Amino acid sequence: DAGVTQSPTHLIKTRGQHVTLRCSPISGHKSVSWYQQVLGQGPQFIFQYYEKEERGRGNFPDRFSARQFPNYSSELNVNALLLGDSALYLCASSFYTNEKLFFGSGTQLSVL
Amino acid sequence: GESVGLHLPTLSVQEGDNSIINCAYSNSASDYFIWYKQESGKGPQFIIDIRSNMDKRQGQRVTVLLNKTVKHLSLQIAATQPGDSAVYFCADSQFYFGTGTSLTVIP
Repeated sequence: DAGVTQSPTHLIKTRGQHVTLRCSPISGHKSVSWYQQVLGQGPQFIFQYYEKEERGRGNFPDRFSARQFPNYSSELNVNALLLGDSALYLCASSFYTNEKLFFGSGTQLSVL
Repeated sequence: GESVGLHLPTLSVQEGDNSIINCAYSNSASDYFIWYKQESGKGPQFIIDIRSNMDKRQGQRVTVLLNKTVKHLSLQIAATQPGDSAVYFCADSQFYFGTGTSLTVIP
């Protein structure tokens, strides 16, 4: 069975650019969540979507946005990239909210 | 605000010994806790979870204990193996992760 898939695996951008990260959940999962993980720290919650509606938002600026599509896949968009946005971006899925999460391997974003 | 924190950033144990990783949380209303394991280059992987109506839950070689009085939970790994070497996170529901404990198993 396919797990959570994320694309791309690695990405290099420059300051001020925009980036779109993509995630496909496990088949049957209706909830997708996004996390930012800086080296040496735990994942920081960015967004949660369930049935295409935003169910939670972490303490991130408005430069971060996301959406979930009818097939339950999701995109995370980050505008006006800063050096501090360099991190591993993780996507996770679950059947419903408030359940254990299944994570993808992440997208490593480097902002130069 | 809500937070979870692990007591030790690193832990080294001999192969075959038992490991105990501790975590504290601050939100008294928290009702669901999850332990994850993250190996290098991978996303976190679910280990075991526990809801607040339980004090203990066991899995294969792992046990989670929850003490709601002092807002503390622990992960116990029996007969630790080299493959258990990883960073372990406790999470309060789906939103808040601790900083992680790096477990090293010495052969």
